[in-house]
Amino acid sequence: DTGVSQNPRHKITKRGQNVTFRCDPISEHNRLYWYRQTLGQGPEFLTYFQNEAQLEKSRLLSDRFSAERPKGSFSTLEIQRTEQGDSAMYLCASSPLHEGYTFGSGTRLTVV
Amino acid sequence: RKEVEQDPGPFNVPEGATVAFNCTYSNSASQSFFWYRQDCRKEPKLLMSVYSSGNEDGRFTAQLNRASQYISLLIRDSKLSDSATYLCVVSSNSGNTPLVFGKGTRLSVIA
Repeated sequence: DTGVSQNPRHKITKRGQNVTFRCDPISEHNRLYWYRQTLGQGPEFLTYFQNEAQLEKSRLLSDRFSAERPKGSFSTLEIQRTEQGDSAMYLCASSPLHEGYTFGSGTRLTVV
Repeated sequence: RKEVEQDPGPFNVPEGATVAFNCTYSNSASQSFFWYRQDCRKEPKLLMSVYSSGNEDGRFTAQLNRASQYISLLIRDSKLSDSATYLCVVSSNSGNTPLVFGKGTRLSVIA
């Protein structure tokens, strides 16, 4: 385990479909974060977990978005009824407590 | 007002030049500060943390001014490989709240 792994790398979906992304963090990291990034913007915080507990959710995370980290290891981010505005890079990061983040390569979502 | 503000650039500089980026943050309770580097279509990677006393890592120097709520990054002797977007990042409570990223400043180093 050399880093944060995200799958898939790319996803093209039709508007209205549901999509699910997976993130496998660095194994010894307690914290896992989801961010979204669009062109010309910095990453925007969506939600984060400490072990299996979801500690904070951004206002950006509408009710169409749900994230889980059931066993405190990998996490999934699901978007229901996708909209064109959901097109973005979805970044996952993990960290030990009180230290910097390591990001995965991201999942690029295109909603057509 | 955005929590973290940066000049988006682009900054186009010749090889060997010195370039400086500034960033301002709005939350006076911010405790942790970082610069991340992001290459085109890649994930952000930690470049360096920023400490109150200022810190240096090779050609890179970061400084923090808490009174004015700004952070700077100085790159000396620019290399072509320094071309990237530099993201200013703050956290309001060391380790306990998610990091807030600026939009980034684009740097192009030209031969």
